Amino acid sequence: DTAVSQTPKYLVTQMGNDKSIKCEQNLGHDTMYWYKQDSKKFLKIMFSYNNKELIINETVPNRFSPKSPDKAHLNLHINSLELGDSAVYFCASSQITGGSPLHFGNGTRLTVT
Amino acid sequence: AQSVTQLDSHVSVSEGTPVLLRCNYSSSYSPSLFWYVQHPNKGLQLLLKYTSAATLVKGINGFEAEFKKSETSFHLTKPSAHMSDAAEYFCVVSGGGRRALTFGSGTRLQVQP
Repeated sequence: DTAVSQTPKYLVTQMGNDKSIKCEQNLGHDTMYWYKQDSKKFLKIMFSYNNKELIINETVPNRFSPKSPDKAHLNLHINSLELGDSAVYFCASSQITGGSPLHFGNGTRLTVT
Repeated sequence: AQSVTQLDSHVSVSEGTPVLLRCNYSSSYSPSLFWYVQHPNKGLQLLLKYTSAATLVKGINGFEAEFKKSETSFHLTKPSAHMSDAAEYFCVVSGGGRRALTFGSGTRLQVQP
């Protein structure tokens, strides 16, 4: 059973398009996250939801909008894609916010051409 | 505020020799500390965690880390490297509360035959 699953695994699209990445966790965790990993492997938090409530919203362009229909799902919608959005996006979940370890999905590699 | 510094961006060892990956942290609170491993084109997997219990923490695959408060360090070690250990390793700190985990910049471990 996959604990944190995200789709699609690869996403290639042109500048200006709108795309979504979906994430689901079956661990019963209350908190979910989106992280962005750049070409130098640096991981940066984008958003965090606790039981459908947005609790962390880092400095991210408002073209990025997270949506959490329930605590097991956290989707990421990106409008007007730009070249600089190319990266690997990781969904993660944890039992509680803060000191609990994260469980990661396998990532979505987004390439904007 | 919390931060983490991985002192080496790249470490190369021979198979069968010891591994040392260095990490220093800064936190205003009693931190939780983690090490994650990322194999190529994969998500991140938790290796081990420190949460104010024993200062020597044992993880999976023979890795261990020692929490040294006086040195603000949490170095990762393994007595004997295996080819399958070649990956990117991330040191992570949590400052508690609703703060997201802060990732270090990563250390790429290369294992030579």
